Amino acid sequence: AQSVTQPDIHITVSEGASLELRCNYSYGATPYLFWYVQSPGQGLQLLLKYFSGDTLVQGIKGFEAEFKRSQSSFNLRKPSVHWSDAAEYFCAVARDNYGQNFVFGPGTRLSVLP
Amino acid sequence: EAQVTQNPRYLITVTGKKLTVTCSQNMNHEYMSWYRQDPGLGLRQIYYSMNVEVTDKGDVPEGYKVSRKEKRNFPLILESPSPNQTSLYFCASSLSAGGSIQYFGAGTRLSVL
Repeated sequence: AQSVTQPDIHITVSEGASLELRCNYSYGATPYLFWYVQSPGQGLQLLLKYFSGDTLVQGIKGFEAEFKRSQSSFNLRKPSVHWSDAAEYFCAVARDNYGQNFVFGPGTRLSVLP
Repeated sequence: EAQVTQNPRYLITVTGKKLTVTCSQNMNHEYMSWYRQDPGLGLRQIYYSMNVEVTDKGDVPEGYKVSRKEKRNFPLILESPSPNQTSLYFCASSLSAGGSIQYFGAGTRLSVL
């Protein structure tokens, strides 16, 4: 069965430090891949997505992610974290050709130290 | 303002009492979904709809019903709620196929006693 894993439940970084959140998926074909962010008490907001083409994708708020087919990974990165980045981050895969049948990872909670 | 609106935001009910959580979008989106969010499990898709009268099961459809009689509305129905349906529920909509951006509602926190 298709699945999405996010190995890190909780990550703490200092403001200004770099960040990498890991995501691995299990899926036969190349899926549609997404990263979402959820601030406390809020719904989810899309950070970026990958469908095809360039394996390094840029998103909002200075985030980027790299699709590595050989590793079945889609890790999220940011070169310098801001205190406002503290939130929960979800990796997601769309399993169907319509890009609507989604599987989400369990999430990684990011804390940022001043 | 473009938005996905869920009601109610908070709901406490008792086992077996039928309830409906409404979801409405004003963006003329074709696709709508319902998710539940539980700690450590992320979001799990309950049902999704690709157009009026077209719905399909997600990963956790048991105990839930949906209907899509109008493009803008996608209510989630719990015919006989049970305590294991206590969760945070999100509705989402997107414009078209190909994984276009999903816009999420603010969530409905449901407690079933």
